[in-house]
Amino acid sequence: GENVEQHPSTLSVQEGDSAVIKCTYSDSASNYFPWYKQELGKGPQLIIDIRSNVGEKKDQRIAVTLNKTAKHFSLHITETQPEDSAVYFCAAYGSNDYKLSFGAGTTVTVRA
Amino acid sequence: SAVISQKPSRDICQRGTSLTIQCQVDSQVTMMFWYRQQPGQSLTLIATANQGSEATYESGFVIDKFPISRPNLTFSTLTVSNMSPEDSSIYLCSVEGGTDSSYEQYFGPGTRLTVT
Repeated sequence: GENVEQHPSTLSVQEGDSAVIKCTYSDSASNYFPWYKQELGKGPQLIIDIRSNVGEKKDQRIAVTLNKTAKHFSLHITETQPEDSAVYFCAAYGSNDYKLSFGAGTTVTVRA
Repeated sequence: SAVISQKPSRDICQRGTSLTIQCQVDSQVTMMFWYRQQPGQSLTLIATANQGSEATYESGFVIDKFPISRPNLTFSTLTVSNMSPEDSSIYLCSVEGGTDSSYEQYFGPGTRLTVT
């Protein structure tokens, strides 16, 4: 099945700086890559996703890039704010097992 | 996106008992899933809840321990049976569907279970 690795496991940034989280996947046929934000005590929230026919997607302060050749994708958060503090999960949709496989998560802390 | 609610939001249960978690969606969806999130960990798929047929379980999860019902396209239940402290986790309901609905999954708020 699909194997997704996510780095770093923790990330501390100064408010206003950028944060970058990277994920790699194993199944070259995977074609959908969502990112989730999970705040304390809540369920994961889909914040952005990218499909394999696109190299980059942006939504206000967040962007996702995909390199299919290298089988990695990244989440970029610019101008970080305290409310960006949360756990972020990447995932990949496996074309063989038709399910999402999740990374281990990154705990992001934005320092005021 | 679909609005998903879960009941109960949290519970503390004694070992050996069972708990049934309900998941309600505000629109009809084809695909519903149940996940487990152990403390400080990532999400693990337990099973896909199929309407009108038995759920499809992932490796390591069995129907006797996690029976699932899916009576219609908006509702599902997950039962955690004969609980032990190792079952203490967040249990999450998820549905697939969106405006560009291919593969997009949305999660409910979760049920936080503590087994003593």
